[in-house]
Amino acid sequence: NAGVTQTPKFRVLKTGQSMTLLCAQDMNHEYMYWYRQDPGMGLRLIHYSVGEGTTAKGEVPDGYNVSRLKKQNFLLGLESAAPSQTSVYFCASRTGTRYTQYFGPGTRLTVL
Amino acid sequence: AQSVTQPDIHITVSEGASLELRCNYSYGATPYLFWYVQSPGQGLQLLLKYFSGDTLVQGIKGFEAEFKRSQSSFNLRKPSVHWSDAAEYFCAVGAGGTGFQKLVFGTGTRLLVSP
Repeated sequence: NAGVTQTPKFRVLKTGQSMTLLCAQDMNHEYMYWYRQDPGMGLRLIHYSVGEGTTAKGEVPDGYNVSRLKKQNFLLGLESAAPSQTSVYFCASRTGTRYTQYFGPGTRLTVL
Repeated sequence: AQSVTQPDIHITVSEGASLELRCNYSYGATPYLFWYVQSPGQGLQLLLKYFSGDTLVQGIKGFEAEFKRSQSSFNLRKPSVHWSDAAEYFCAVGAGGTGFQKLVFGTGTRLLVSP
């Protein structure tokens, strides 16, 4: 099993550009999550999904959109990137009955 | 609302010395508590978790944590630190009751290990 994978690993954007981060898991997990990690702030939840076709807002959803069209994939979109979105983004997944989240390796995004 | 406080931003420990990382949580019901470790440039790995039962839980890499309800704490310990333990450690609480959907993370403690 590859576990949780994230694409791309690194990305540099200019202000106003758009992009999509892809998270994929091969563990048949129902729940998937997107976090951002900034120095001194820990991990903050952006959006999450409790199943295919469902999404919900987390702590810091503004400026991001998500979609979960397939159970194994969870996409995070930035429609118009801003320098404040420079961060490391982590995806995680878990089953519906077991509470441990499994994390991907992260995507480092820089917005100039 | 649930919250997690890790009061120490950085801790430096000599190799071979004991370690205790502090975590305090705020939650109205029985918490589900986790410790994760993040090595530089890596994702988060689960060290251990507490759901119920024995308040002293054992994890991987020789770590343990003790749940103390009266102090709202879930401190992480290791009797003898190795240089490879240098990393950032995150405490988290499951938010939303039984069957909770989300984790709330603390801001992390960075562990430095000196020779």
